[in-house]
Amino acid sequence: KNQVEQSPQSLIILEGKNCTLQCNYTVSPFSNLRWYKQDTGRGPVSLTIMTFSENTKSNGRYTATLDADTKQSSLHITASQLSDSASYICVVSPGSGGYNKLIFGAGTRLAVHP
Amino acid sequence: NAGVTQTPKFRILKIGQSMTLQCTQDMNHNYMYWYRQDPGMGLKLIYYSVGAGITDKGEVPNGYNVSRSTTEDFPLRLELAAPSQTSVYFCASSALATNEKLFFGSGTQLSVL
Repeated sequence: KNQVEQSPQSLIILEGKNCTLQCNYTVSPFSNLRWYKQDTGRGPVSLTIMTFSENTKSNGRYTATLDADTKQSSLHITASQLSDSASYICVVSPGSGGYNKLIFGAGTRLAVHP
Repeated sequence: NAGVTQTPKFRILKIGQSMTLQCTQDMNHNYMYWYRQDPGMGLKLIYYSVGAGITDKGEVPNGYNVSRSTTEDFPLRLELAAPSQTSVYFCASSALATNEKLFFGSGTQLSVL
């Protein structure tokens, strides 16, 4: 069964610190992997999209990595800010489908404290 | 820059009532989607559309209906509300199918009591 598992479920860090969020997936075949940021009470906003041939992609202080062999991805946040407090969602697109077959993880809830 | 606009933001329904969740986008996107987000779960696709006049079921379509008469609008209809439909609903759109990011609305929080 195609699944996307994220860890940890929740995380608390101090402002200015770095953190790494994990995403493991069992989706096969695989087309692309996406990371979204969802602020409380808002819809998800795209951070990165990586195809199976890409190993890393950055968006400001956010860097996503992908290991298609081990089916793992991580999102690294550098020098965290209070505004980084949000849920981060990993989404995998199967190779066989695409737009109507996206598989969403349950998200990691990050709280950045001053 | 409106993007994807959803209304209402909050709604409480009684069991058996009906309502329509509105969604409109101003980016001329062909692809539109309705998702529901339940606590501790990933988003689930309810219905999607690849263009005006074309809709299809997603993973969890039971109890819902959609229409797509224009490129901009994609309303979601709940006919006989049930407590299991208590959720947060998100409308999204994208320009193309593959490798394109989704643009989400801000969501509708629905409670059925």
